[in-house]
Amino acid sequence: GQQLNQSPQSMFIQEGEDVSMNCTSSSIFNTWLWYKQDPGEGPVLLIALYKAGELTSNGRLTAQFGITRKDSFLNISASIPSDVGIYFCAGHLTGTASKLTFGTGTRLQVTL
Amino acid sequence: GAGVSQSPSNKVTEKGKDVELRCDPISGHTALYWYRQSLGQGLEFLIYFQGNSAPDKSGLPSDRFSAERTGGSVSTLTIQRTQQEDSAVYLCASSLVDEQYFGPGTRLTVT
Repeated sequence: GQQLNQSPQSMFIQEGEDVSMNCTSSSIFNTWLWYKQDPGEGPVLLIALYKAGELTSNGRLTAQFGITRKDSFLNISASIPSDVGIYFCAGHLTGTASKLTFGTGTRLQVTL
Repeated sequence: GAGVSQSPSNKVTEKGKDVELRCDPISGHTALYWYRQSLGQGLEFLIYFQGNSAPDKSGLPSDRFSAERTGGSVSTLTIQRTQQEDSAVYLCASSLVDEQYFGPGTRLTVT
């Protein structure tokens, strides 16, 4: 099935650094969602975006819905060890307000 | 309130056997989804239920896979004659509108 292109695939950063990851699609999306998944757990919703150009924050996390509706980014500021995990973007395609299409994931590892 | 729950958390089965995976969605959520996640991969959509509408089965990989949702609540995903390539984590999610909330998943291993 179709997946969104998410980059980077993985990243190693030091505690305190800022992190940026993004997602691109060849199709227009109505909604972008960002999830975090810890080992052995289901994805946990971090941020939801509903409008092109929208910028939304949740604590140290900030996400934006691209103007073209074909991309989104997630920033994490001042990373801490518990930020470790896999981050997925997901979206609803235009006309299909049901199933989510998921990105390939960004694996984040934070070193002390 | 309680989140999405799934059972069992782990299932090991022999090739050729049938398995049933259960999902209890968040109370009041009208939509229920099943996804599959292979090791190190993203999530692959399987099937979607919305209220009393016919389910969207467009993601089911073969006719060995089926799912039902009874009484608009609990759902069961059934895999018949399991194959080794069915080994994966099966995730259930529920939603009111766009924001989907996931359960912890069932890890299926077919030997």
